[in-house]
Amino acid sequence: AQKITQTQPGMFVQEKEAVTLDCTYDTSDPSYGLFWYKQPSSGEMIFLIYQGSYDQQNATEGRYSLNFQKARKSANLVISASQLGDSAMYFCAMREGLRGAQKLVFGQGTRLTINP
Amino acid sequence: EPEVTQTPSHQVTQMGQEVILRCVPISNHLYFYWYRQILGQKVEFLVSFYNNEISEKSEIFDDQFSVERPDGSNFTLKIRSTKLEDSAMYFCASSEGSTGFEGTQYFGPGTRLLVL
Repeated sequence: AQKITQTQPGMFVQEKEAVTLDCTYDTSDPSYGLFWYKQPSSGEMIFLIYQGSYDQQNATEGRYSLNFQKARKSANLVISASQLGDSAMYFCAMREGLRGAQKLVFGQGTRLTINP
Repeated sequence: EPEVTQTPSHQVTQMGQEVILRCVPISNHLYFYWYRQILGQKVEFLVSFYNNEISEKSEIFDDQFSVERPDGSNFTLKIRSTKLEDSAMYFCASSEGSTGFEGTQYFGPGTRLLVL
């Protein structure tokens, strides 16, 4: 079974609109972290936002917010007031457990295109 | 702002040759990771490293792969005898801690390896 599922291979949005990128996860570990990364066409992986499984509030970071619905096991990324520079691949990732150097498991990604 | 650096940015090699990919993690980080991304696919975990030893490795990380922290700053990935299917972008990442926000992994810009 997939640990991280991103069901939107591609999204097209008009500039200045808000966009939601979907991510669902699967884990039986009560302690986990959820991350979103942006990968522009240049290839680097840029950390955007983190949500811990015990966090009571949804994470926010500037124009990025994470809609964390624990019971549904979803962690959707919301980008408000989209900009042309937001065009990129977006990856949702999960880290499970508390011990040691825990790996990240990534989803397949969503390619976001912002239209002027 | 501190960042993870990787060299070289691109490497072309012949099948069967050895390659060494180099990384300089963020200076106060204690946990180190290698991931790879085959073109158009998701990011896959290779190996994690902490306290001068491997913490976890994936099935991909077979006997042809090794990692080393030869001094206080560098972290290297060696592929002993490259295969065509090793062609990918290789990312180094580091994190300050292993849990919570301190466990956020920051990625380098990647090394694009092409095996001919």
